[in-house]
Amino acid sequence: GIQVEQSPPDLILQEGANSTLRCNFSDSVNNLQWFHQNPWGQLINLFYIPSGTKQNGRLSATTVATERYSLLYISSSQTTDSGVYFCAARLGSWGKLQFGAGTQVVVTP
Amino acid sequence: DTAVSQTPKYLVTQMGNDKSIKCEQNLGHDTMYWYKQDSKKFLKIMFSYNNKELIINETVPNRFSPKSPDKAHLNLHINSLELGDSAVYFCASSQSTDTQYFGPGTRLTVL
Repeated sequence: GIQVEQSPPDLILQEGANSTLRCNFSDSVNNLQWFHQNPWGQLINLFYIPSGTKQNGRLSATTVATERYSLLYISSSQTTDSGVYFCAARLGSWGKLQFGAGTQVVVTP
Repeated sequence: DTAVSQTPKYLVTQMGNDKSIKCEQNLGHDTMYWYKQDSKKFLKIMFSYNNKELIINETVPNRFSPKSPDKAHLNLHINSLELGDSAVYFCASSQSTDTQYFGPGTRLTVL
């Protein structure tokens, strides 16, 4: 099956800083999603981005499918951005969504 | 209005017991999922149903049995609970293979 690797595993940011999270995947995908799990455990979808670039407020994501990676940008980070960020990729139409191990982000005031 | 809901939120039980977790979505989606998140936060798919038909069945012990009475509901029944079943179980839904929306999770603790 597809391998999904995220880096870095942990990230500590000062409030207001910018950061980039990376997701590498081992095969061509037709589905790539980013999720945020907040400190209370709730999983929120951020982006559905099999290719191209999308922006949503202070967050943006870019997927370069031909080079098998996706990036999540957090700009002007806030303490509410703390949590675990997961990327997940799918191979084929109805295959399973394979999650990476996540990046644990802590934003300090 | 909650989009994907699960009950119960917490479940504490003894080894060997049988328990069920219920999931409902009001998004009109045709596909539902069960995921298991272990203590290291790793998320793994267990089952997926599309229009009430099982389409993904990962290598899960047959003590776990999903049931989809209709497109809006997907329940998970677990027989003979073991210590290793302790985890957070998430239900999710999507329209076809689009964005998945997750429920709040059920924290299962087996003593």
